Amino acid sequence: NAGVMQNPRHLVRRRGQEARLRCSPMKGHSHVYWYRQLPEEGLKFMVYLQKENIIDESGMPKERFSAEFPKEGPSILRIQQVVRGDSAAYFCASSPVTGGQPQHFGDGTRLSIL
Amino acid sequence: TQLLEQSPQFLSIQEGENLTVYCNSSSVFSSLQWYRQEPGEGPVLLVTVVTGGEVKKLKRLTFQFGDARKDSSLHITAAQPGDTGLYLCAGADSSASKIIFGSGTRLSIRP
Repeated sequence: NAGVMQNPRHLVRRRGQEARLRCSPMKGHSHVYWYRQLPEEGLKFMVYLQKENIIDESGMPKERFSAEFPKEGPSILRIQQVVRGDSAAYFCASSPVTGGQPQHFGDGTRLSIL
Repeated sequence: TQLLEQSPQFLSIQEGENLTVYCNSSSVFSSLQWYRQEPGEGPVLLVTVVTGGEVKKLKRLTFQFGDARKDSSLHITAAQPGDTGLYLCAGADSSASKIIFGSGTRLSIRP
């Protein structure tokens, strides 16, 4: 079984541009979670989605950030008008049932803002 | 807000020594997980503990969940350089809709 796949692995953007991060969950998994990690820190929860539904977005900034998990295709985390402070590693995890269960993580997208 | 605090933040010891890292909270968690993360990679699940007082062993690693399900510890016996990495604890939040991570313990084992 393929694990959680994230792409790109590295993404460089200039301030003001848009960043799109993709996550394909493990086969059979319908729950996706996005986390953000700064250097030397733990992972901070951003958003939890099921297919076509946002379940919990309490960790996501109200402005510039959005997430979706369409019926077909990967989950997308979108950051508009990026700023230097958005530089971080963004991790996606998936699970087959409601959260709280062990989650399988992708290897992340490292976003750098110039 | 449920928070998990890990200690120590950094730990550097000699190969062959024993160590314990801690994960503490003032909140009760329905389950708690330990992950290990290496540079450039995502966290990898090591163990899940569910029952208060539960002890699980994974080779030289021993995980314990506190009786009140508010804290946990990870003990490594005879540490090896391959144990080097960032160790993260994570708890299922009160709504069980997501897991909350501690800030991590960065472990370095010197040969």
